[in-house]
Amino acid sequence: QVQLQESGPGLVKPSQTLSLTCTVSGGSISTGTYYWSWIRQPAGKGLEWIGRIYNSGSTNYNPSLKSRVTISVDTSKNQFSLNLSSVTAADTAVYYCAREAYYDTSGHVDYWGQGTRVTVSS
Amino acid sequence: DIQMTQSPSSLSASVGDRVTITCRASQSISTYLNWYQQKPGKAPKLLIYAASSLQGGVPSRFSGSGSGTDFTLTISSLQPEDFATYYCQQSYSSPRTFGQGTKVEIK
Repeated sequence: QVQLQESGPGLVKPSQTLSLTCTVSGGSISTGTYYWSWIRQPAGKGLEWIGRIYNSGSTNYNPSLKSRVTISVDTSKNQFSLNLSSVTAADTAVYYCAREAYYDTSGHVDYWGQGTRVTVSS
Repeated sequence: DIQMTQSPSSLSASVGDRVTITCRASQSISTYLNWYQQKPGKAPKLLIYAASSLQGGVPSRFSGSGSGTDFTLTISSLQPEDFATYYCQQSYSSPRTFGQGTKVEIK
């Protein structure tokens, strides 16, 4: 059973960089046709896709965040990470890491982390 | 970006009711459409992928249909545990985008 667990600071100051790590257990991040993704959800609002990384290191980012986002992978630790720079209060949200399974006819998130709440405040 | 629009934004229903939620894409996405269920304080859970394929372990009262731009999630007989918020998501192209959600409440 694959499990994902987010970790990182729950409070970040404005203009600083938000850094989160997702640790994957129960399966290797290096194998299979999976994208490793970050998705966020402000309180009381909907889901926003941030971006994803393949085990090769190739990435896709949401254009609305692209200038501030970096997603990286560490296959030796079975982890992937999110860095979001120059944060503002608008970046306050629950951040989820997730696995997207990708096939010819579908791409869907089949495993999610429990989510970690990040607040941007001085 | 492909815009996903769900309707209604919320609905009230009773246990045993048949419930239908619709999702419209701003351009054709074939059948690259997923449905998720989210309960308060929890991560979303995959219900339906590729428009109509039921994820393992999901009750058969959930079904999905559609292709192109118009899609439907149907709950054939609403159960107490189904009161939640439902999101559609397109996986036709990047960036992945979600509908705004439909909250299913108890009548």
